[in-house]
Amino acid sequence: DAKTTQPNSMESNEEEPVHLPCNHSTISGTDYIHWYRQLPSQGPEYVIHGLTSNVNNRMASLAIAEDRKSSTLILHRATLRDAAVYYCIQLVNSGGSNYKLTFGKGTLLTVNP
Amino acid sequence: DAGITQSPRHKVTETGTPVTLRCHQTENHRYMYWYRQDPGHGLRLIHYSYGVKDTDKGEVSDGYSVSRSKTEDFLLTLESATSSQTSVYFCAICTGTGSYEQYFGPGTRLTVT
Repeated sequence: DAKTTQPNSMESNEEEPVHLPCNHSTISGTDYIHWYRQLPSQGPEYVIHGLTSNVNNRMASLAIAEDRKSSTLILHRATLRDAAVYYCIQLVNSGGSNYKLTFGKGTLLTVNP
Repeated sequence: DAGITQSPRHKVTETGTPVTLRCHQTENHRYMYWYRQDPGHGLRLIHYSYGVKDTDKGEVSDGYSVSRSKTEDFLLTLESATSSQTSVYFCAICTGTGSYEQYFGPGTRLTVT
């Protein structure tokens, strides 16, 4: 299974930027990197994805290393509502157009007021 | 919200009884997934479907069966519930095209006593 490595936990202060790292050293050229987050007592929520280039959307930015073996999710100004478990996932094709997400334990982000 | 609901949201049942969980979507997405989430394990894929009557096993499929007789509904059945199946169950949907992001339901908390 495609495995990513993330820190177990990180802490940030409100209104400061947060950089959440992820290593995916076994990534192949066609595997996308997806990020999801899970707020307490809710289902996971899609955040962002990328392949090679850096990506931005209304929730976050994704910076992907040139060798694609690591990436960083950037929350530009953390709010208390961003406190969640963040999952970095290597999207792997399991045959045809079947893709599977393999969730690890993620990074628990704590945001201090 | 992605137009995905799960029912029931909470259920307590006894060991040995059959249980069926329902996932309903209004998005007409091709792919549907069932995951379970347990402390210390993150989310694990049970079964998934890539079309009506087309299903396949995930990493923890033993003791579970699924059915998809129409696009909008994906049923997960525990034929004879065991205490080890006490968990939170999440359903997810995916278009099956583009970036393959998944959208998750609110979850069903199942307790088997």
